[in-house]
Amino acid sequence: NAGVTQTPKFRILKIGQSMTLQCTQDMNHNYMYWYRQDPGMGLKLIYYSVGAGITDKGEVPNGYNVSRSTTEDFPLRLELAAPSQTSVYFCASSDLGTSGRGEQFFGPGTRLTVL
Amino acid sequence: KNEVEQSPQNLTAQEGEFITINCSYSVGISALHWLQQHPGGGIVSLFMLSSGKKKHGRLIATINIQEKHSSLHITASHPRDSAVYICAVGRASGSRLTFGEGTQLTVNP
Repeated sequence: NAGVTQTPKFRILKIGQSMTLQCTQDMNHNYMYWYRQDPGMGLKLIYYSVGAGITDKGEVPNGYNVSRSTTEDFPLRLELAAPSQTSVYFCASSDLGTSGRGEQFFGPGTRLTVL
Repeated sequence: KNEVEQSPQNLTAQEGEFITINCSYSVGISALHWLQQHPGGGIVSLFMLSSGKKKHGRLIATINIQEKHSSLHITASHPRDSAVYICAVGRASGSRLTFGEGTQLTVNP
């Protein structure tokens, strides 16, 4: 199993551009998450999904959108990129729910810079 | 005040030392997680616990639900243990993990 994969690994965007961060998991997990990690700060939840077709906002959803058309894929869309979105983005999945009982498996991260 | 507080923020040790990292939280939880973030950035789950103690190799995690406190211990530390260790809690109600800011551990040879 590949686990959780993310693409791209690195990206530089200009202000106002848009992009999609891809996330795929092959563990048949129902629950998937997008986090951002700013330097010296803890992980913050952007959006999460409890299954195909169901998504919900986390702590810091502004400026982002998600979709979950399949169990495997959970892309994160940035519209009108801003310098404040410069961060490292992690996708994760788990198998036992969003209450935290399930171990979370993380992707390798995408380092995004907005200039 | 953050809902999850870790201490210390930074820790430097000599190889072989016994290390303790602490995590305190202020909300009701269903489980507490300890994660390790490698220098290259990857994050792996070390432990998930809701009571008592778990051990994996040289790592031991304990939790005291009444005191809302958990500790991560590393015995016979090694330079390869150098990483950021992150505590996170899953609430009894609600639907997300809340993360501490992490403890940067450096183990010198």
